[in-house]
Amino acid sequence: GENVGLHLPTLSVQEGDNSIINCAYSNSASDYFIWYKQESGKGPQFIIDIRSNMDKRQGQRVTVLLNKTVKHLSLQIAATQPGDSAVYFCAEKRDQAGTALIFGKGTTLSVSS
Amino acid sequence: SQTIHQWPATLVQPVGSPLSLECTVEGTSNPNLYWYRQAAGRGLQLLFYSVGIGQISSEVPQNLSASRPQDRQFILSSKKLLLSDSGFYLCAWTPDRAEAFFGQGTRLTVV
Repeated sequence: GENVGLHLPTLSVQEGDNSIINCAYSNSASDYFIWYKQESGKGPQFIIDIRSNMDKRQGQRVTVLLNKTVKHLSLQIAATQPGDSAVYFCAEKRDQAGTALIFGKGTTLSVSS
Repeated sequence: SQTIHQWPATLVQPVGSPLSLECTVEGTSNPNLYWYRQAAGRGLQLLFYSVGIGQISSEVPQNLSASRPQDRQFILSSKKLLLSDSGFYLCAWTPDRAEAFFGQGTRLTVV
């Protein structure tokens, strides 16, 4: 079936570097995308979202890029900090009432000092 | 503000025993409600979602069931647990056209 997946299961970076986490989706009907951060033993926390009428959205130290042509989503974290270490998930849904949010497999980000 | 409560936080149950996990949402009405399961080191698998009282959509055939007896209450159940039911169960809610907010999860170990 259609699914949302991430290119790499793990990513290791040095503190202060920029991190890029990638995600590919296959459901062309999806038009709403979200990035979540999950720390060990906790529920996922919302980071940033983007709708399909945009190709870029910026938050505090984070940027999400959406390329609908190749069905690709990325999360950029600027000046990565040890507290950014976590598992990152992308999620997708159709932007209409009553549709479910489907998650990818996750990328584990490890930040070393 | 809206909050989501999920309990218990941890649970150890023997094989063949029943299960009941409860999730409630405060501060909103008619939320979309979800149950996800996360195996160790894996992604979130959607189990059930509900757009209203008594309306349950099942995503994966399995040993579990869900019910929504009240607008802001979502219950995950099993009549007889299997070892493979072990995992981290997460309840979530969304308003329409917005991100999901998660509970803190229930760590279920079936022994």
